[in-house]
Amino acid sequence: GENVEQHPSTLSVQEGDSAVIKCTYSDSASNYFPWYKQELGKRPQLIIDIRSNVGEKKDQRIAVTLNKTAKHFSLHITETQPEDSAVYFCAASRTGGSQGNLIFGKGTKLSVKP
Amino acid sequence: DGGITQSPKYLFRKEGQNVTLSCEQNLNHDAMYWYRQDPGQGLRLIYYSQIVNDFQKGDIAEGYSVSREKKESFPLTVTSAQKNPTAFYLCASSIQSAYGDEQFFGPGTRLTVL
Repeated sequence: GENVEQHPSTLSVQEGDSAVIKCTYSDSASNYFPWYKQELGKRPQLIIDIRSNVGEKKDQRIAVTLNKTAKHFSLHITETQPEDSAVYFCAASRTGGSQGNLIFGKGTKLSVKP
Repeated sequence: DGGITQSPKYLFRKEGQNVTLSCEQNLNHDAMYWYRQDPGQGLRLIYYSQIVNDFQKGDIAEGYSVSREKKESFPLTVTSAQKNPTAFYLCASSIQSAYGDEQFFGPGTRLTVL
């Protein structure tokens, strides 16, 4: 089955710097890769996702890149702000039926210092 | 107010007790999921259901049970057979599509064994 590894487990940056979180996956048939942000004590919320037919997607300060050959994808946050501090989870899945179940990485705790 | 709700927010269980966590959604989603979240472990899938009256075990189903009698509801019972139930439990729902599905999460229930 699918296995998703996420690095680093913790990341501390200064406000205004960029942050990069990386994930690798094992199932070459996976084709959907979402990223969730979870603030302390809150529910995870989708911030961006990418499908295997594109290599990069951007939404304001957030971007995700996908390398299908190497089976890894990354989250890039530019111009970080204190409100970006949270735990970020990557996930991977195939589409359709039970294969559509998301497999999550273990999370990255991002701290943005003012 | 549309969305996915969970109750209670906090739950305390004595040794040997069964407890039931509620999950309701009015998003008209076919699929529903239960995850367990422990510190540093990410989200682990307990059970999922793709359609009413059908559900499947996830990665850590032992000591848990579910039912799916209505599309809107997917309650989780934590039985006395679950030896270490203290955790944060998250319910999620999604549309089943062929394109990769965003999962929407409830606010969670924090279960503590006394």
